[in-house]
This record gives sequence, C-alpha cells and structure tokens, in this order.
Amino acid sequence: DAGVTQSPTHLIKTRGQHVTLRCSPISGHKSVSWYQQVLGQGPQFIFQYYEKEERGRGNFPDRFSARQFPNYSSELNVNALLLGDSALYLCASSWAQGTYNEQFFGPGTRLTVL
Amino acid sequence: AQSVAQPEDQVNVAEGNPLTVKCTYSVSGNPYLFWYVQYPNRGLQFLLKYITGDNLVKGSYGFEAEFNKSQTSFHLKKPSALVSDSALYFCAVRDRGGQNFVFGPGTRLSVLP
Repeated sequence: DAGVTQSPTHLIKTRGQHVTLRCSPISGHKSVSWYQQVLGQGPQFIFQYYEKEERGRGNFPDRFSARQFPNYSSELNVNALLLGDSALYLCASSWAQGTYNEQFFGPGTRLTVL
Repeated sequence: AQSVAQPEDQVNVAEGNPLTVKCTYSVSGNPYLFWYVQYPNRGLQFLLKYITGDNLVKGSYGFEAEFNKSQTSFHLKKPSALVSDSALYFCAVRDRGGQNFVFGPGTRLSVLP
C-alpha cells in the first residue's frame, strides 16, 4: 500500500511569491494535517482537516491556508513568501479525528525561499 | 498549553548497549504520548504511543517507552542499540481535547560501532 505522498519534493521560490504544496493521504484516511519543520527543530503544527473541514489551526499567519478535497487529498498554500518560510513541510494522515490516533507522515516538501 | 522537552540534543551509545532517549511533557489532564523517528531526508516514522493502561509500551524495531505520570516523563528505551538506530527522535504529546500534536525539539541518537 502506498503511504502518504507529497509533491513536489523540492521547491525554490523567491520572496513575495506564492506556493502550493500537495498531499495525498493513505487510502482510507480522512484526516490530513500539515506541519512546518525548520532545520534543527521539531515539526510545528499548521492545520488539520477532517472530512474537508478545518478542525485545527496552529499559530501561523493568514498567509498560510489549506483545503481538503472530496478525495481527502489536501493542498497547503502560502502567499507572500518570506525567507523564514524556508522549511520542510510535512503532511500527515490518520484514519480518523480521534486524538489517540497516530499520524503517518509523508516524506515532505523542502521549500527554499531566496 | 501543551509542551514537550527533550533535554538532550545528542545521545551517543555503543552498539549493543542499552539506550535511553528522554522526554518530559506538560499538558492539562491525561496525555496521549507518541515517539517518532526521522531518518535523513525522510518524513517521520511512528514508533509507539501511550494512550492508557500499562505504563510500559512496546513499539516497532524493539523500542519501548515507559510512561511515568508523577514525573511527567515518557522515555524511549531499547535494550540493545544497533548502528541502524542512528537517527533523529521526536517525542510528541496530544491532550485529549486537542487536534494537533506538539513535538519536542528532537534528540539525535548516534550508535557507534
């Protein structure tokens, strides 16, 4: 079975640009979460979506937005990129919204902002 | 607010020796606790979790973790370390009403041959 997939693998953008990152969850998983992992730090929670609705939001500016599609895949959008947005963006899926469910992570998208 | 501390940035251990990676947490109420491992240029892989019940939890690849409520700790252990265990280890907590994981800063484990 395929795990969580993310695209693209790497991305280079310049300040002020916009970026869209994509995630496909494990088949049967209905919950998708996004995390930002800056080099040398643990992942920081950005969003959680379940059944196409936003169920949680971390402490990130409004430049960050996301959505979940009917097939449970998800997009993370970041507008007006800043140098500080350079990070590994991780997508994680779980089969339900329950807080005891472990999340399964994709390989991440490495975003570099120049 | 939830928080997780991993007091050691780096842990070095000789192959075949037991290893411990420490984690302490702060959360209101009873927590759900998780350990993940990250290999270079890879996403996080789930190792084990504590929900309720037995304080000693067994997980993947021979790892186990002990939940200690009085010390608010959830240390990761393995009886005999392998070189292939060398990686970055993250402890995470989720409170029973929350929707997100809070991760610790990570501990880099190096197992020396």
